[in-house]
Amino acid sequence: GNSVTQMEGPVTLSEEAFLTINCTYTATGYPSLFWYVQYPGEGLQLLLKATKADDKGSNKGFEATYRKETTSFHLEKGSVQVSDSAVYFCALSDQNTGNQFYFGTGTSLTVIP
Amino acid sequence: EAGVVQSPRYKIIEKKQPVAFWCNPISGHNTLYWYRQNLGQGPELLIRYENEEAVDDSQLPKDRFSAERLKGVDSTLKIQPAELGDSAVYLCASSLDGLAGGDTGELFFGEGSRLTVL
Repeated sequence: GNSVTQMEGPVTLSEEAFLTINCTYTATGYPSLFWYVQYPGEGLQLLLKATKADDKGSNKGFEATYRKETTSFHLEKGSVQVSDSAVYFCALSDQNTGNQFYFGTGTSLTVIP
Repeated sequence: EAGVVQSPRYKIIEKKQPVAFWCNPISGHNTLYWYRQNLGQGPELLIRYENEEAVDDSQLPKDRFSAERLKGVDSTLKIQPAELGDSAVYLCASSLDGLAGGDTGELFFGEGSRLTVL
């Protein structure tokens, strides 16, 4: 079946530190991969996505590369800011299951000045 | 452009009472989803609509949960009677076209309705 496993939190970093949040997946077909972000008091919103192997999604300084060989989609940012404090969800969508989305459990990030 | 609108934002009820949540998706989005998000967890699909048809309701507890999407636009999710374990955030999302055939596009989420059952 399809599933997403992501790094457990919470994660606390100092401003300008390097961020990595690990995400691995299991899928029956060839999924698209996503990172969604949930800022305090807001709904989930798409951060970035990649639709095929070796694609790199990027947005707001965040990057993630679709690695089929390691079934991973790790989120990285070179220098985090206080405003990046949020919960980050890795997700996949698989055509074989009618494009149903599968979400990880979320990783809470707090960036301190 | 208006986003996905949900109401109410917060609801506190006693167990065994009914509750209903409303969702207005982004205009033109054919696919509408209801998710439940428990504390510290990711969203879990309850039901998905393609226009007015429920195409995936396998995770909806049908003994107490019901949903409808009349005219393929707004949707209502109802719980009757509510149980303590139903306390969660109920998220509505929409997408332009969720049908298999190539689109794996973005889900647009509302802010959610937080339910507390006492």
